[in-house]
Amino acid sequence: QVQLVESGGGVVQPGRSLRLSCAASGFTFSSHTMHWVRQAPGKGLEWVAVIKYDGSSRFQADSVKGRFTISRDDSKTSVYLYMNSLRPEDTAVYYCARQGAGLDVWGQGTTVTVSS
Amino acid sequence: QSVLTQPPSVSAAPGQKVIISCSGSSSNIGIQPASWYQHLPGTAPKLLIYDNDKRPSGIPDRFSGSRSGTSATLGITGLQTGDEADYYCLAWDESLTAGVFGGGTKLTVL
Repeated sequence: QVQLVESGGGVVQPGRSLRLSCAASGFTFSSHTMHWVRQAPGKGLEWVAVIKYDGSSRFQADSVKGRFTISRDDSKTSVYLYMNSLRPEDTAVYYCARQGAGLDVWGQGTTVTVSS
Repeated sequence: QSVLTQPPSVSAAPGQKVIISCSGSSSNIGIQPASWYQHLPGTAPKLLIYDNDKRPSGIPDRFSGSRSGTSATLGITGLQTGDEADYYCLAWDESLTAGVFGGGTKLTVL
C-alpha cells in the first residue's frame, strides 16, 4: 500500500546535526514532489521544505534556510532532511508528505528534541 | 504570526454546520490553490480538500471548500463528535517561495 515512513529522530544537543529519512513505498516515487512539515509542541503545523519530483528545485522556510537541506534518492525511494546547527526551537514532530493533489499521503512522523 | 489567518477556534452542536475561514493575500491564496487538512494529536494530518474545492476519494461530502479572492473557506455540515480536531489551510506563497499554513482552528463539537 501507499506508505511513507520517517526515521532518524532523537534527542540532540543544540548546534549539532541530524538527518531525517522518509522511505516511500507503494507508488512511483520519482513522479512526486515531496515535502517536510513539522509541528512543535503546542504549536500548529509549519511547512519546512520541498523538493521537486525531478530534484530540479528545492525551497525551505525562512526559519530553516541555511541550516536545513532537503534531498532525495529515487533509487532508494527516499527523501531526506539534513538538519544542521539545530536550535531548541527546532524541537518538533517532523512529517514527510507526498504532493499529489494536495499533500495526499503523510507519514506518522518522527520526533526531534533539541536539548542540552 | 501566520501568513494565512484562521480563527483559533470554532464550535457547534452535533448535526450543525461550521465554516472555517483562511485569509491570505495576492501572493498565496489569491493566485495559488488552497488545501485543507484535519489533524488529530499524535496522528498524521489528513487531506480534506485540494485545489480549493475538490474532495479526495473517501472524504465525505459533508466537507466542502471554496475560494473567493484571497480567502478560502472550509465548510463542515452534519457535525459529528469525531470531527473534533485541528484544521489547517495550506497554500504556496509566490513571494516567499514557500508553503504557508494557517495557524490552525480547533473545532469543538459541543
